[in-house]
Amino acid sequence: QVQLVESGGGVVQPGRSLRLSCTASGFTFTSYGMHWVRQAPGKGLEWVAVIWYDGSNKYYADSVKGRFTISRDNSKNTLYLQMNSLRVEDTAVYYCARDPAGGSSSAGIDYWGQGTLVIVSS
Amino acid sequence: DIQMTQSPSSLSASVGDRVTITCRASQSISSYLNWYQQKPGKAPKLLIYAASSFQSGVPSRFSGSGSGTDFTLTISSLQPEDFATYYCQQSYSNPYTFGQGTKLEIK
Repeated sequence: QVQLVESGGGVVQPGRSLRLSCTASGFTFTSYGMHWVRQAPGKGLEWVAVIWYDGSNKYYADSVKGRFTISRDNSKNTLYLQMNSLRVEDTAVYYCARDPAGGSSSAGIDYWGQGTLVIVSS
Repeated sequence: DIQMTQSPSSLSASVGDRVTITCRASQSISSYLNWYQQKPGKAPKLLIYAASSFQSGVPSRFSGSGSGTDFTLTISSLQPEDFATYYCQQSYSNPYTFGQGTKLEIK
């Protein structure tokens, strides 16, 4: 069965960095695009970033562009989100999620992890 | 960026009711519109993609329609497990923005 397990969340001070990981299993990782989507406490969903199945394309929300970097290691079936210059407003549950259309999201985002909580606070 | 606006933001309904949620895009997105359901403390679940295509395993009481800028999600007969928050998402262009959500509550 498809599993996506995020890790790396925690409490971090503003301006510091954190790297999230998402380990995938139960499907051919190299055939799927992958997204990060976040949800601030009590708020709605905010799309963060996507990486194409082969890593050829990466796109970001304006709110994180220049600070966050999405990457993947297909040999380890693992997705990453490097988060630099963190701000209080980056506090959220971060979900990794699978894109069956390779990264274009034209068939939606069909599997989601359970999320990892990032708290940015001094 | 394309802005997605859902209405209503919240809705009270009873089991057995027919419910419609609307999502409007700030520009035409053809049929690149997806719908998700999220229950408290859980990850979102894909219901509908490409405006009207059913995700595998989704009950047939859920349906989606629309194209261009206006879209709807309809639940034909509400069941107790349907009370949740629903989000639309456009996949026409990056960034793949979500609507603000519609919270469906029990009347």
